Order: sequence, then C-alpha cells, then structure tokens
Amino acid sequence: EAQVTQNPRYLITVTGKKLTVTCSQNMNHEYMSWYRQDPGLGLRQIYYSMNVEVTDKGDVPEGYKVSRKEKRNFPLILESPSPNQTSLYFCASSLSLAGGYEQFFGPGTRLTVL
Amino acid sequence: AQKVTQAQTEISVVEKEDVTLDCVYETRDTTYYLFWYKQPPSGELVFLIRRNSFDEQNEISGRYSWNFQKSTSSFNFTITASQVVDSAVYFCALSEHTGNQFYFGTGTSLTVIP
Repeated sequence: EAQVTQNPRYLITVTGKKLTVTCSQNMNHEYMSWYRQDPGLGLRQIYYSMNVEVTDKGDVPEGYKVSRKEKRNFPLILESPSPNQTSLYFCASSLSLAGGYEQFFGPGTRLTVL
Repeated sequence: AQKVTQAQTEISVVEKEDVTLDCVYETRDTTYYLFWYKQPPSGELVFLIRRNSFDEQNEISGRYSWNFQKSTSSFNFTITASQVVDSAVYFCALSEHTGNQFYFGTGTSLTVIP
C-alpha cells in the first residue's frame, strides 16, 4: 500500500530534550516536506526537500532541522524543543512539485512540549 | 503576503443545503497548480482535486464542484446537498511551476448540522 508513515503519532516531552520525528514514504517520491498545523494558521511549511541531499527552508524553519540521506526518509529534528513548538506535524511527499503533483500526507504527529 | 486566502474561518449549514467555500490565490507565475484538501475530524489530510492554470473548466464530482476563475484569482469549492459526513476543515493550496513550495490557506471549518 502506497503511504507516508510518521512516528511517533503522539509525543509529550520537556523543553530542551532533543527529539526526532521520522517520516518515510514508499512511493519513490522526489519531493518531501514537513508542515506544522496550528489553530487559525492553517498548515505552514517548515522544510522541504527536492531530492536526496537537497533540502531548503520553508516559511517557519526556526528551531528545526531535517536531513535527506535516502529518498524514502525525511526525519524532522528538534534539537532543543520549546513550548511554542507544541503543534500537529505532518510529513508529505509528492512525485515532484514542478509537475503540479498532489502531496500525500502522513497521519500526523501531535507534539506537546512542556 | 498570504498566497492563499480562505476568508471564511467557520461555516455552519443545515443538512441538504448547498455551501460554497471560497479560495483566493496570489501568484505571478503563469503556470501554477491549485488544490483542495479535506481534513475530517479524524485528522488525516485527504486530497480532493488538482487544477492547473491552463485549465479553467469547472469540474463536478458527485456533489462536489469547483469553479476556477483566473480573472478573479479564485478557486471556489461548492458542496451540493451537504451531508453530515462533509463536516471537516477544507484547505485550498497553491504550488507554482517555478517555485519549490506548497502554500496552504488557513482553512475553512465546515459544520453540517443534521
């Protein structure tokens, strides 16, 4: 089954404790992306990757890191989480962005930083 | 500046009423793509439709229809004879052929009252 998976689905942590949210897709997609969803703000892009080893900042990259060492994986790293990073996070992938292909989304990760 | 504007934050309708969700976009590209996604209460993001900038034909899919008007930079979504299962948050989104990002509106929360 074609899908985007994220882990964990729920995470409660404390300020400053490094964490990683994993994202994996099995569709051989080139484009991958991370979003955060906050009430009233919709989905905002954190980082995106056009292909392996090619990543770039989205609209709200502060406090986040990513890497794309393999085509299928795109982990999101919070080196020192803070309460303002409490949010619902979505990973997404697309065949490519230039061709106007839709994005497929993971199930979401609800993160709470105390 | 917001590239995708969904001015309606929340809409409530009674079952079987028709409802239109507005989406206005902003881009300088001549080639771009517009999308609608649905986020039901369960939280996942479901792709509904994609439109490219060269195709202004309206589309109908069952009770759903989309009206794309380049002259007003709008891509509105109408649900005919709404049902309780249509209750969800609906997002409009834009990607540009020359760009690397995907832009979402802030979403419209639709509640269909039985």
